[in-house]
Amino acid sequence: SQKIEQNSEALNIQEGKTATLTCNYTNYSPAYLQWYRQDPGRGPVFLLLIRENEKEKRKERLKVTFDTTLKQSLFHITASQPADSATYLCALGTGNTGKLIFGQGTTLQVKP
Amino acid sequence: GAVVSQHPSRVICKSGTSVKIECRSLDFQATTMFWYRQFPKKSLMLMATSNEGSKATYEQGVEKDKFLINHASLTLSTLTVTSAHPEDSSFYICSAHGQVKETQYFGPGTRLLVL
Repeated sequence: SQKIEQNSEALNIQEGKTATLTCNYTNYSPAYLQWYRQDPGRGPVFLLLIRENEKEKRKERLKVTFDTTLKQSLFHITASQPADSATYLCALGTGNTGKLIFGQGTTLQVKP
Repeated sequence: GAVVSQHPSRVICKSGTSVKIECRSLDFQATTMFWYRQFPKKSLMLMATSNEGSKATYEQGVEKDKFLINHASLTLSTLTVTSAHPEDSSFYICSAHGQVKETQYFGPGTRLLVL
């Protein structure tokens, strides 16, 4: 069956460290993968998009990797700050409809 | 950047009544909008794809007569929860994409509580 799995346990790290979040999927062939940030009671906010033919994307302190062989994406936040505390969602795009399939999200808590 | 608004942000209604939620793209035209539902600590579940000027496409298991969607213009889609029941209580979020189909811009969400 098709699955998108993100670590359901919260990730707690110290300020200044690098946070690494994982997104694994099975039985999908995504054309692209996206990461979103969601704060409590709010809609998700787009962070990064990476396509199937790209290995890595960066934006300021954020880095995303995409390994279509392992069927995995890693999302890194370097020099983490308490303001980075939120839930991070990965989403797969499989066609040209624009539809996204979301993972359940991982909550990141950055302690000062 | 692309801004999507939703109204109302929060609504409480009695069981059996209908509730309309509006989703607007404020600074761009949205040919397609999406409606999601999210339960606490759960992922976003896509309910339907709303295309301007045509009927919405509903995901499997979503009752189209229960969740009426209208996309009458390039900047407005509405979701009406008809004859709401307590199990319809949830967080409803819309999103839109414009020219670039891959990226979706989300509204702030509407919290619905049915008593």
